[in-house]
Amino acid sequence: AQTVTQSQPEMSVQEAETVTLSCTYDTSENNYYLFWYKQPPSRQMILVIRQEAYKQQNATENRFSVNFQKAAKSFSLKISDSQLGDTAMYFCAFMKKRWDDMRFGAGTRLTVKP
Amino acid sequence: DADVTQTPRNRITKTGKRIMLECSQTKGHDRMYWYRQDPGLGLRLIYYSFDVKDINKGEISDGYSVSRQAQAKFSLSLESAIPNQTALYFCATSDWAGTGEVADTQYFGPGTRLTVL
Repeated sequence: AQTVTQSQPEMSVQEAETVTLSCTYDTSENNYYLFWYKQPPSRQMILVIRQEAYKQQNATENRFSVNFQKAAKSFSLKISDSQLGDTAMYFCAFMKKRWDDMRFGAGTRLTVKP
Repeated sequence: DADVTQTPRNRITKTGKRIMLECSQTKGHDRMYWYRQDPGLGLRLIYYSFDVKDINKGEISDGYSVSRQAQAKFSLSLESAIPNQTALYFCATSDWAGTGEVADTQYFGPGTRLTVL
């Protein structure tokens, strides 16, 4: 079974600084997808970024980027120029290709301080 | 208007009661999901449905049942609620690409906070 581990339960960063959230996963699959979701205090789950395992290029979305290391089974999220609105729980998730059972990590609570 | 809606947003009930949580979507997606979120555990899949005629168990289906009344509606039922079913419940939808290498993303509703006393 696939497992997703987020080893940092809580993190904080100063506004305008850069922070990196860690995620590792365990799978024997070769084709899969990885996601980062954000859950602000409103509790809505919002997609931040998506990575397809067959693509070597790391995904980026504005201030958000990932460092995808397939051999190491690592998928970290980097947030640049942190903003107060980035304060949220961040979940890493894994999904096998052509499969619907998405597995989530336990989450990292990020606080951006003014 | 929200693409994925859930009702109710909050519910408090007693042990042994039957509870139904409802999900509706206007995204036109075929696939719908029910997840449960507990502190420290992330989200776990309860059931998912590929279309009206297809229902599949997820990681933690015991104690739950679902009904896909239409493409746009997917309900989750707790036949006899128990306190350890107290959690935040999310509905999600996706529209599988079907071919090619791209998997479509799952889009989540706002969640229902359920408390079982």
